[in-house]
Amino acid sequence: GNSVTQMEGPVTLSEEAFLTINCTYTATGYPSLFWYVQYPGEGLQLLLKATKADDKGSNKGFEATYRKETTSFHLEKGSVQVSDSAVYFCALSWTGANSKLTFGKGITLSVRP
Amino acid sequence: DGGITQSPKYLFRKEGQNVTLSCEQNLNHDAMYWYRQDPGQGLRLIYYSQIVNDFQKGDIAEGYSVSREKKESFPLTVTSAQKNPTAFYLCASRPQGTNSPLHFGNGTRLTVT
Repeated sequence: GNSVTQMEGPVTLSEEAFLTINCTYTATGYPSLFWYVQYPGEGLQLLLKATKADDKGSNKGFEATYRKETTSFHLEKGSVQVSDSAVYFCALSWTGANSKLTFGKGITLSVRP
Repeated sequence: DGGITQSPKYLFRKEGQNVTLSCEQNLNHDAMYWYRQDPGQGLRLIYYSQIVNDFQKGDIAEGYSVSREKKESFPLTVTSAQKNPTAFYLCASRPQGTNSPLHFGNGTRLTVT
């Protein structure tokens, strides 16, 4: 079946540090891939997405590239800010009548001033 | 503004009581979802509905029930049969049969004592 694996957390970084959060998936074919962010006490918000191989999603300085050969969708940001502190979820989805998202377990990022 | 409204934000109940969580959306989305979030376990799908008057069990439906009498509304009842009901519950929606991202509400934190 489909699954999403995220690196273990939590992650603590200093402001302006480089961020990488790993995400790999198991699926037959080519699903769409997403990164969601959850700020404290809130629901999830879409951060970025990619719908086919080699697509790069980007938003708010975050980027992720859909790598078919490594079945990965790692999230990166060149310089994190304190306001980036949140929980980050990787997810995949298919087109279809019964499509639903499969989420990774999420990883908590804390950024120190 | 369009969006998803979950109410209340915090809910407290005594063990053995049923409780209903509200979810309303004005995005005209056909598909609606309920997820449960627990620390370290990511999001787990409880129930989902692709169309009015139809719904399917997700991965952890036992102890829960739903209804979908209107397109805009998808209430979740947590019954006394649910062994560990204390959790953060998230409602989401998206257009039917697409790979569009999910739109999430801000969640309801249920505490059962």
